[in-house]
Amino acid sequence: SQQGEEDPQALSIQEGENATMNCSYKTSINNLQWYRQNSGRGLVHLILIRSNEREKHSGRLRVTLDTSKKSSSLLITASRAADTASYFCATDANTGGFKTIFGAGTRLFVKA
Amino acid sequence: EAQVTQNPRYLITVTGKKLTVTCSQNMNHEYMSWYRQDPGLGLRQIYYSMNVEVTDKGDVPEGYKVSRKEKRNFPLILESPSPNQTSLYFCASSYSGKGDYGYTFGSGTRLTVV
Repeated sequence: SQQGEEDPQALSIQEGENATMNCSYKTSINNLQWYRQNSGRGLVHLILIRSNEREKHSGRLRVTLDTSKKSSSLLITASRAADTASYFCATDANTGGFKTIFGAGTRLFVKA
Repeated sequence: EAQVTQNPRYLITVTGKKLTVTCSQNMNHEYMSWYRQDPGLGLRQIYYSMNVEVTDKGDVPEGYKVSRKEKRNFPLILESPSPNQTSLYFCASSYSGKGDYGYTFGSGTRLTVV
């Protein structure tokens, strides 16, 4: 299975609610990144959290990282219809190589 | 505007007919990479390049070739395309490939091989 696996696969919420997505990974990492993809378009980088950080904020986004559990979560607060997209976590495999591995993504649908 | 430009956006071709998907970035990034995206499988890395004349295989390199003769360009070559290469392809670049910086993605190339 893949290094990064998001949970849930799909999430539907009302505008104004918070959305939480989780990512689990298998090997040790240097950094973990979150990306957003609008349907059929290129991925857009949202936030990067380093392995020695536990929490990071960017606007309405809050990312946490628990290296002991090999997991991360992305929280979008006060969601908007424009947040409807797929969200991916990406990890660099800390094996001395330079591969960044993406999960299969969480599809978020925010109803107006 | 800082960007990664892929061409073409859409391509329908026949089995066995060689094709090239171009990728160019204007950010002086050292690292460039190609991914394919298939439903339920996320993005899988095909090839990557740490710098000019330095390329290496990703997780799914079979059936693909790349070259990095200039820093800004990283074309993806399918010498003999097959239907299982029908996919959505993305080129991405970054200052480095160590995961220290985010990646900038192109808009994608939707390839159909019939």
